[in-house]
Amino acid sequence: GAGVSQTPSNKVTEKGKYVELRCDPISGHTALYWYRQSLGQGPEFLIYFQGTGAADDSGLPNDRFFAVRPEGSVSTLKIQRTERGDSAVYLCASSYGQGSEQYFGPGTRLTVT
Amino acid sequence: GIQVEQSPPDLILQEGANSTLRCNFSDSVNNLQWFHQNPWGQLINLFYIPSGTKQNGRLSATTVATERYSLLYISSSQTTDSGVYFCAASAVKETSGSRLTFGEGTQLTVNP
Repeated sequence: GAGVSQTPSNKVTEKGKYVELRCDPISGHTALYWYRQSLGQGPEFLIYFQGTGAADDSGLPNDRFFAVRPEGSVSTLKIQRTERGDSAVYLCASSYGQGSEQYFGPGTRLTVT
Repeated sequence: GIQVEQSPPDLILQEGANSTLRCNFSDSVNNLQWFHQNPWGQLINLFYIPSGTKQNGRLSATTVATERYSLLYISSSQTTDSGVYFCAASAVKETSGSRLTFGEGTQLTVNP
């Protein structure tokens, strides 16, 4: 079946602009996660959704970052007033639920100039 | 939170050699996964193995939960095995969601 998909695959934006990154999870997966990976490092957790609600947003670095999942499927990660330090690959993962195997999408490479 | 440490950080092999990658974790886990990150950045699931032993072709993995470590074995390595291997774990005592904490990865290079 189809895996996790993310759009766009690449996004270049200017410092101070607003961006939205989209994640489409595997059908039937109720849990959805966002991670961020900087060059040469492992991915780091940002936020977790169970259904429509953000059950754990403790990994979001500051209030410029926000994510939604209004219908319990597709999720959008929103970044306001982007900074050069936000440049990274943003990864989305989904799973059947707590403790279950997570499957990752191909990521969105964000570059802030 | 849980700490995840991988070793070695870098490994260079000749094609056909065997290797063992190690992952130590600091707490009881309800999820432990091994991934291979390909040159395009995609994380490929290798094993979901919070405990026990699994095998898939030339790859196998063992997690000894009571001693808080996991091993990934690669036998008869091929050049296509090159890339970064990540171990990631989620602690049982996490209040929600099983967020994965990743190690720093092992960069594997297999030379022909």
